[in-house]
Amino acid sequence: GDSVTQMEGPVTLSEEAFLTINCTYTATGYPSLFWYVQYPGEGLQLLLKATKADDKGSNKGFEATYRKETTSFHLEKGSVQVSDSAVYFCALNFGNEKLTFGTGTRLTIIP
Amino acid sequence: NAGVTQTPKFQVLKTGQSMTLQCAQDMNHEYMSWYRQDPGMGLRLIHYSVGAGITDQGEVPNGYNVSRSTTEDFPLRLLSAAPSQTSVYFCASSYRGGSGANVLTFGAGSRLTVL
Repeated sequence: GDSVTQMEGPVTLSEEAFLTINCTYTATGYPSLFWYVQYPGEGLQLLLKATKADDKGSNKGFEATYRKETTSFHLEKGSVQVSDSAVYFCALNFGNEKLTFGTGTRLTIIP
Repeated sequence: NAGVTQTPKFQVLKTGQSMTLQCAQDMNHEYMSWYRQDPGMGLRLIHYSVGAGITDQGEVPNGYNVSRSTTEDFPLRLLSAAPSQTSVYFCASSYRGGSGANVLTFGAGSRLTVL
C-alpha cells in the first residue's frame, strides 16, 4: 500500500539555521504531496503542496520540490525562527478523501 | 468562518463507557473524516464520508461508529471505550482543490483518555 517515510526526530536547531526534513513516499501512480504543520495544542494546517512532478510548493519561507525520480518531497527553509517550532507531517493523496501521513517530525528552534 | 469545530476538547472515560465526539464544519465541504493521532504513528484514518448519507471505513475503524445525516455534521461514536482508544482525535473536512489535490482543514482536536 501507499506509505510515507519521514526522517525521525526530534530535530533541534538554533535560530537562523538551515532546515531540511526528509520525506520519501511509496505509491502506485503519482500522488499529490503535502506538508502539514501542527503547532502546540492545535490541529494540523496545510503548509504547502505540490500536485505533479517538479512542482515546487512554498509558503512562509518553506519550500519543497516534488521529485518523481527519487520519490521525495523534502521540506527546506533557509533561516528558521523560534516560531517555526512545531511538528511537521508529510502526506500524500490521490485526490480522494484519504490522506496517508508520515509519522511526523518534531522541530524545536532554540533562540 | 469557524472552520471545523470539535467538541469536547478533553474527555476522560472509564472502560466500557460510550460517548460521542462531535464535529461540525461550515465550509460546505463534501468530504469529512476522522483521524486518530498516536505517538510515533502519525495520523491514521478511522472513518470518512464523501457526502451526506455516505460513510466508509478507514484504516482503523474497529470500535468506532459514524453517521453523516447532514453536510455539516460528522459525529464519531465510541461504542464501548477501551484503553487502546486513548488518543487525540482530529476531525477534518476537505474539498478537491485545483489540479485534483484534496486539501484538509482540521479541527483543534479532542484528547480522550480511557481508564
